[in-house]
Amino acid sequence: AQTVTQSQPEMSVQEAETVTLSCTYDTSENNYYLFWYKQPPSRQMILVIRQEAYKQQNATENRFSVNFQKAAKSFSLKISDSQLGDTAMYFCAFMSYGNKLVFGAGTILRVKS
Amino acid sequence: DTAVSQTPKYLVTQMGNDKSIKCEQNLGHDTMYWYKQDSKKFLKIMFSYNNKELIINETVPNRFSPKSPDKAHLNLHINSLELGDSAVYFCASSQDLGLAGGHGVSDTQYFGPGTRLTVL
Repeated sequence: AQTVTQSQPEMSVQEAETVTLSCTYDTSENNYYLFWYKQPPSRQMILVIRQEAYKQQNATENRFSVNFQKAAKSFSLKISDSQLGDTAMYFCAFMSYGNKLVFGAGTILRVKS
Repeated sequence: DTAVSQTPKYLVTQMGNDKSIKCEQNLGHDTMYWYKQDSKKFLKIMFSYNNKELIINETVPNRFSPKSPDKAHLNLHINSLELGDSAVYFCASSQDLGLAGGHGVSDTQYFGPGTRLTVL
């Protein structure tokens, strides 16, 4: 069974600075997808970024980028120029065939002014 | 326009009651899901339906019964509610991308706003 581990329960960052959230996963499959979702206090689950395992190039969405290390089974999220609106819980998630999303325990990110 | 909607957003009820949560998506997606987020914020899949057919059924008590009248709707009915059922329930949907290696593959899952169920 696949597992996703987020080792940082909470993190803080100053506004405008950069922060990296860690995620590791365990799978024996070769083809899969990885995601970062954001859950602000409103509790809405919002897709931040997606990475296909067969793509070597790291995904980027504006201020959000990932460092995908397939051999190490690592998928970290970098948030540049942090904004107060980035304050949320961030979930790393894994999906392979069967389309079941397996989530990590989440990391609470607080952006301070 | 809301892509994935759920009703109600909040549900407070007594133990032993039966309740339903409705989900609708207007994205034209083929697959819909129910996830449960517990008090520690841990998210776990419960069910998924593809074109009204049950695809995933995790280890969920049979008091929980999903119903899909059409591919745009996936409702969750819960019988004999228990205290431990208190949680946030999320509906999600995704578009099928076809087959790869003999397996069905779906695109990104988009979530509804969640329903906070409180059982007293």
